[in-house]
Amino acid sequence: DAGVTQSPTHLIKTRGQQVTLRCSPKSGHDTVSWYQQALGQGPQFIFQYYEEEERQRGNFPDRFSGHQFPNYSSELNVNALWLGDSALYLCASSWEQGFSYEQYFGPGTRLTVT
Amino acid sequence: GQQLNQSPQSMFIQEGEDVSMNCTSSSIFNTWLWYKQDPGEGPVLLIALYKAGELTSNGRLTAQFGITRKDSFLNISASIPSDVGIYFCAGPYNAGKSTFGDGTTLTVKP
Repeated sequence: DAGVTQSPTHLIKTRGQQVTLRCSPKSGHDTVSWYQQALGQGPQFIFQYYEEEERQRGNFPDRFSGHQFPNYSSELNVNALWLGDSALYLCASSWEQGFSYEQYFGPGTRLTVT
Repeated sequence: GQQLNQSPQSMFIQEGEDVSMNCTSSSIFNTWLWYKQDPGEGPVLLIALYKAGELTSNGRLTAQFGITRKDSFLNISASIPSDVGIYFCAGPYNAGKSTFGDGTTLTVKP
């Protein structure tokens, strides 16, 4: 049973560029949440997708957008990258009909903006 | 927004010692979660607490949901080197959206 997978593992981008990160949820899960984790801090909630719609959003600007596909996989897009966007981006999946608070995290994508 | 304060920020202990850490909030939570994160990995759920006063164990780990619903505690007994990592508390609210503390970093000396 595959857990949550994310790609790519590492990414280096330049200020002003755009980036797309990908996530496949754990088998049987239908809800995907994205988090940003800066060095030395806990994960910060970006947004959550369920039934291909953004359901919840944290305190992040519109430069951060996402998408969920019919197979429940998800993408996180960040436009006009800032140096401050450098962080570990984590995807977490859960099952809406289960204990949805119990999220399973992927290994993350380390984004470096130069 | 809601904030969780974890203490201590870091701990250096000897193998075999017991560990205690806690998490406090200015807001009430109906669920508390404890995660562990190893370097280069995402957080792994250790224990979930759903009821005020609840005490739940997972092997050598024991967590408690505070009576006021504004705090939670995690204890690790007889620590071993693989306990090294960062421990996060999280309070989920609103359909799985969670707020996390900044973590307690545990170092275990053999």
